[in-house]
Amino acid sequence: QLQLQESGPGLVKPSETLSLTCSVSGGSISSPSYYWGWIRQPPGKGLEWIGSIYYSGSTYYNPSLKSRVTMSVDTSKNQFSLKLTSVTAADTAVYFCARYHKAQTSTPWDDWGQGTLVTVSS
Amino acid sequence: DIQMTQSPSSLSASVGDRVTITCRASQNIGNYLNWYQQKPGKAPKVLIYAASSFQSGVPSRFSGSGSGTDFTLTISSLQPEDFATYYCQQSYTTFITFGQGTRLEIK
Repeated sequence: QLQLQESGPGLVKPSETLSLTCSVSGGSISSPSYYWGWIRQPPGKGLEWIGSIYYSGSTYYNPSLKSRVTMSVDTSKNQFSLKLTSVTAADTAVYFCARYHKAQTSTPWDDWGQGTLVTVSS
Repeated sequence: DIQMTQSPSSLSASVGDRVTITCRASQNIGNYLNWYQQKPGKAPKVLIYAASSFQSGVPSRFSGSGSGTDFTLTISSLQPEDFATYYCQQSYTTFITFGQGTRLEIK
């Protein structure tokens, strides 16, 4: 049974960098069949895709966040990470890590972490 | 980017009702459309992928249809556990986008 678990600070100051890690268990992040990614949800609002990463390190980012986002993968630890720079209150959200099977038609995100709330405040 | 517009934004219905939620894409996305259910405090769960394919384990009262720009999610007979928020999502482009959500409430 695959499990994804987000971890990182729950409070980040404005203008600083948000850093989160997603730990994967019950499966290998090095599987060539899957993409991994981050999706966020501001309190009471809808879902926003942040970016996706392959085990090789290739990435796709949301153009509206691209200048501030960096995603990376650590196959030795079976983890992938998100860094979002220069955060503001608008970046306050629940951050989910998730994965999709790249060969499945329409590539639905079918495995998710439980989500972690990150608040941006001084 | 491809805009996804859901209607209605919220909906009140009773147990046993048939409910339809609509999702419209700003351009042709073929069948690259997924539907998710999200309950408060939980991660979204995929119900339907490729517009009309059932995700394993999802009750058969959920169905999806459509292609191109117009899609629907239908719940044939609402059950108490179906009251939640529903999102559509397109994966036609690498810039993935979601609809704004439809909140389904108990009447």
